[in-house]
Amino acid sequence: EAGVVQSPRYKIIEKKQPVAFWCNPISGHNTLYWYLQNLGQGPELLIRYENEEAVDDSQLPKDRFSAERLKGVDSTLKIQPAELGDSAVYLCASSSPGQGINEQFFGPGTRLTVL
Amino acid sequence: LAKTTQPISMDSYEGQEVNITCSHNNIATNDYITWYQQFPSQGPRFIIQGYKTKVTNEVASLFIPADRKSSTLSLPRVSLSDTAVYYCLVGPPYSGGGADGLTFGKGTHLIIQP
Repeated sequence: EAGVVQSPRYKIIEKKQPVAFWCNPISGHNTLYWYLQNLGQGPELLIRYENEEAVDDSQLPKDRFSAERLKGVDSTLKIQPAELGDSAVYLCASSSPGQGINEQFFGPGTRLTVL
Repeated sequence: LAKTTQPISMDSYEGQEVNITCSHNNIATNDYITWYQQFPSQGPRFIIQGYKTKVTNEVASLFIPADRKSSTLSLPRVSLSDTAVYYCLVGPPYSGGGADGLTFGKGTHLIIQP
């Protein structure tokens, strides 16, 4: 079974430029998460989807970050405009009802560098 | 939201048993305890989850005392490949709503030496 797919794996942009990350969760997983991970820190939740509904986006900086999961399958996270402090790894994870909210399957992440 | 406390780092040697303890004094009645492992340049990977007493799988054991204010992840006979960061999380089971339990903290950096 294919795991969570993320692209790109690496992205380097200049500050004030837009950037987008894509995630395709494991087939059949209704719950999708986006996390941000800074160096030496644990992942921090940005947004959680149940199907196409964002059920928790309280930690998403809405002035510059946006996310969508239009058909309840794959998802896109966007930053516009990017700032130097946005340099981090952006992780996507998915889970399935019945497995428990904490049993998540993670993708490899997208490493963003903002210059 | 239950907060966890873990050692920042631990060292051990190949073939030894390693125990990593996590404190979660404010754990709620419906919270579960979950451990994840993360290697460099990879996303975290689920190891084990439990509610009380002892849970064992092919990778690790999880010991939870009666008061549930702490838990211990036990890795038997570690190898060099077990060098990773280990995260302890507490939170409610899947409910279809709410966001509790999705705080990873800084984790424990486990280093295994030959």
